[in-house]
Amino acid sequence: NAGVTQTPKFRILKIGQSMTLQCTQDMNHNYMYWYRQDPGMGLKLIYYSVGAGITDKGEVPNGYNVSRSTTEDFPLRLELAAPSQTSVYFCASRLAKNIQYFGAGTRLSVL
Amino acid sequence: AQSVTQPDIHITVSEGASLELRCNYSYGATPYLFWYVQSPGQGLQLLLKYFSGDTLVQGIKGFEAEFKRSQSSFNLRKPSVHWSDAAEYFCAVGSNYGGSQGNLIFGKGTKLSVKP
Repeated sequence: NAGVTQTPKFRILKIGQSMTLQCTQDMNHNYMYWYRQDPGMGLKLIYYSVGAGITDKGEVPNGYNVSRSTTEDFPLRLELAAPSQTSVYFCASRLAKNIQYFGAGTRLSVL
Repeated sequence: AQSVTQPDIHITVSEGASLELRCNYSYGATPYLFWYVQSPGQGLQLLLKYFSGDTLVQGIKGFEAEFKRSQSSFNLRKPSVHWSDAAEYFCAVGSNYGGSQGNLIFGKGTKLSVKP
């Protein structure tokens, strides 16, 4: 029972590089979310999706892009990495009534 | 706007002692309320949730929380803390409007340390 799977677990990027954080869920949830977690700040919503082909911005979308071509996958793209994007990124998918299930996270450092 | 406040950044308790972690929320109606726990280097695990009805909710690992509408609070409690409870705890509020995007608003977290 995999749930929400995120890859990679760790990554170090140089300033200006790009990368895609992968997120896959096997629970057939329509809603999916990307959050970032900074020390002492809780989690902030980056982007979310209500189903395949439909995405929208959250609280902190600048510097990121997403796509949702299938129900299962919701990748997060960083085009020009900046030190301010050093963070831990969590993907989540939602059942009814806001019950969200989280992946294990991707720890990203931009140097 | 919705918001969640966890007043305590870091709490240390002795093993076997009782625990209460505070959470206050700001929301226009009765929200959905959650407590999540995050062990070091791990993702978030749902401890318990409140949607409606009985204001005292039971969760996993012996935790409970009480919803108090008059105080806009949803405090987490445990009668006897175990060393394995050392982790960071997040309170979150979710919209109960059917048309919302359903995301959660998180507090900044409370880190719990347990003394032997």
